[in-house]
Amino acid sequence: DQQVKQNSPSLSVQEGRISILNCDYTNSMFDYFLWYKKYPAEGPTFLISISSIKDKNEDGRFTVFLNKSAKHLSLHIVPSQPGDSAVYFCAASEETSGSRLTFGEGTQLTVNP
Amino acid sequence: DGGITQSPKYLFRKEGQNVTLSCEQNLNHDAMYWYRQDPGQGLRLIYYSQIVNDFQKGDIAEGYSVSREKKESFPLTVTSAQKNPTAFYLCASSIGAYSTGGYGYTFGSGTRLTVV
Repeated sequence: DQQVKQNSPSLSVQEGRISILNCDYTNSMFDYFLWYKKYPAEGPTFLISISSIKDKNEDGRFTVFLNKSAKHLSLHIVPSQPGDSAVYFCAASEETSGSRLTFGEGTQLTVNP
Repeated sequence: DGGITQSPKYLFRKEGQNVTLSCEQNLNHDAMYWYRQDPGQGLRLIYYSQIVNDFQKGDIAEGYSVSREKKESFPLTVTSAQKNPTAFYLCASSIGAYSTGGYGYTFGSGTRLTVV
């Protein structure tokens, strides 16, 4: 039962354009969502997060949008840079499970110069 | 510098052998986790511990064992009962049991285990 799904295994965009990575979830109890970035042979690093009481959170070039009714969130990267090329994981948690995170499958983003 | 150290970076195991992956953190985090990454399957939770001397099974605990005798250390043993152990293993920690908000986990750099 995949509670967090990233349906696009890969995404390719041109440098300077917008990258939009999508994530869907099924567990309505999830109340906190995070995005992680991962380079090959390294551990993921935290990128940005959003609480379920918000619908948008912005940090520099990165913005996360949350649509609770659709159980959908997205990560926007503007403008995209070649150094953004990595695997991006969406993750979610619910208060009753403590700090345990459930991850999606990941999306490989490639930003072409 | 504070962080999480996983060792070794690469590990080869013969079939039928048990191997132990090390994970040490000096962040003073209460909670620690083990995830496994396989292509196309994201990160799957093996075991987690929210406090010393206590741990819980994750989604794919069969064939694995852990211990949490010290706050800083959370070693993972891959036993011979694990039928498909070849994978990339990631250890992570977080401030506390209910501290996901804000920064989530800090991850180690991973151990690549290969069965030969």
